[in-house]
Amino acid sequence: DAGVIQSPRHEVTEMGQEVTLRCKPISGHDYLFWYRQTMMRGLELLIYFNNNVPIDDSGMPEDRFSAKMPNASFSTLKIQPSEPRDSAVYFCASSIQGALSGNTIYFGEGSWLTVV
Amino acid sequence: GDSVTQMEGPVTLSEEAFLTINCTYTATGYPSLFWYVQYPGEGLQLLLKATKADDKGSNKGFEATYRKETTSFHLEKGSVQVSDSAVYFCALNAGGTSYGKLTFGQGTILTVHP
Repeated sequence: DAGVIQSPRHEVTEMGQEVTLRCKPISGHDYLFWYRQTMMRGLELLIYFNNNVPIDDSGMPEDRFSAKMPNASFSTLKIQPSEPRDSAVYFCASSIQGALSGNTIYFGEGSWLTVV
Repeated sequence: GDSVTQMEGPVTLSEEAFLTINCTYTATGYPSLFWYVQYPGEGLQLLLKATKADDKGSNKGFEATYRKETTSFHLEKGSVQVSDSAVYFCALNAGGTSYGKLTFGQGTILTVHP
């Protein structure tokens, strides 16, 4: 299996621009997670989906952030407008039944975002 | 709410030294516990896990035992290698209303010198 695929791997954008991060989960997985990693705050769960439905978006920082999962094989995380404090590594992850009963969550390699 | 606390880092060791990274948790019910590892420039990957009290997870020479009485899941390795240099995350899933999500600790940076 190809694993969780994220794009772009690296993105440098100017403040105020729209940023769209993309994720293709592992085929057959019913959970999809978006995490953000920074030195200051560590690893934060932004939002997660079960069968394409958002379950918990309480980690989304503010209205500038939005996430969609139009089908089982694709999800996007959008930031509009972007700000320098959004600079971070954004990870997408997927799994079968989430971490329930000890199931493994598989992470992508991350999208490294820099907002200047 | 659910939480995970890891020992402060970074941790710096010489090759073949013994490693312990402490992890304690707070959760309702009986959580599943995990250690994930992140190598430089990569995403996180599962290192080991345990799903019930007294279970021992092990992989690549690393071990951790689920201690319900002390709410701990400390990571150990008897002899570390340079290739073990990475960030280590302790995590839990408490089931119930947390559904499938993982709650992570803050991560511990490990550097192993030759």
